[in-house]
Amino acid sequence: EPEVTQTPSHQVTQMGQEVILRCVPISNHLYFYWYRQILGQKVEFLVSFYNNEISEKSEIFDDQFSVERPDGSNFTLKIRSTKLEDSAMYFCASSEIVNTGELFFGEGSRLTVL
Amino acid sequence: AQTVTQSQPEMSVQEAETVTLSCTYDTSENNYYLFWYKQPPSRQMILVIRQEAYKQQNATENRFSVNFQKAAKSFSLKISDSQLGDTAMYFCAFMGNTGFQKLVFGTGTRLLVSP
Repeated sequence: EPEVTQTPSHQVTQMGQEVILRCVPISNHLYFYWYRQILGQKVEFLVSFYNNEISEKSEIFDDQFSVERPDGSNFTLKIRSTKLEDSAMYFCASSEIVNTGELFFGEGSRLTVL
Repeated sequence: AQTVTQSQPEMSVQEAETVTLSCTYDTSENNYYLFWYKQPPSRQMILVIRQEAYKQQNATENRFSVNFQKAAKSFSLKISDSQLGDTAMYFCAFMGNTGFQKLVFGTGTRLLVSP
């Protein structure tokens, strides 16, 4: 069964460093998302992406964050200069169509900022 | 802004028994969608069941069913004949009628099914 895959599963970085989290969505999906979950808190929406541009973003998704689909398969989340509060589990998701609520999630990438 | 509340951080149930997970939400919208997602240990979150707010009939998917009370803004999940593989974190989620698959999640309920 097709799956969304994410790398790395865990990354430790120093504050101020740039981090890129990678995702390979399901191949025929057209819509892509990033969510994050700070330990002990809710899963929060960050951004949605369609047709090579951001469709919607949350207040969390400030200028330090960017997303890109550099080729036909990868979907990346970049954090330019990490802060301690960026430590979280980051989930990539994709969907074939929109407005069904059925997202296919990856296992997540745990980011630890020291 | 919409909020989703899951008041049970952890629940336990024995195999073959029935368990109900609670969820309440707050919204001013009339048309929206509600979901239960399941996240087994070290696995992806997967959609368990979906309910459209305009449908009065409660959604069911095999052993999983919901009790949707729109006026009370309540959306509970009932798992019948619990199985060991049901052990997981369960998230209740809300999606408005607009907003590109922007799900609002609750904090989750950890369900442990024991033999």
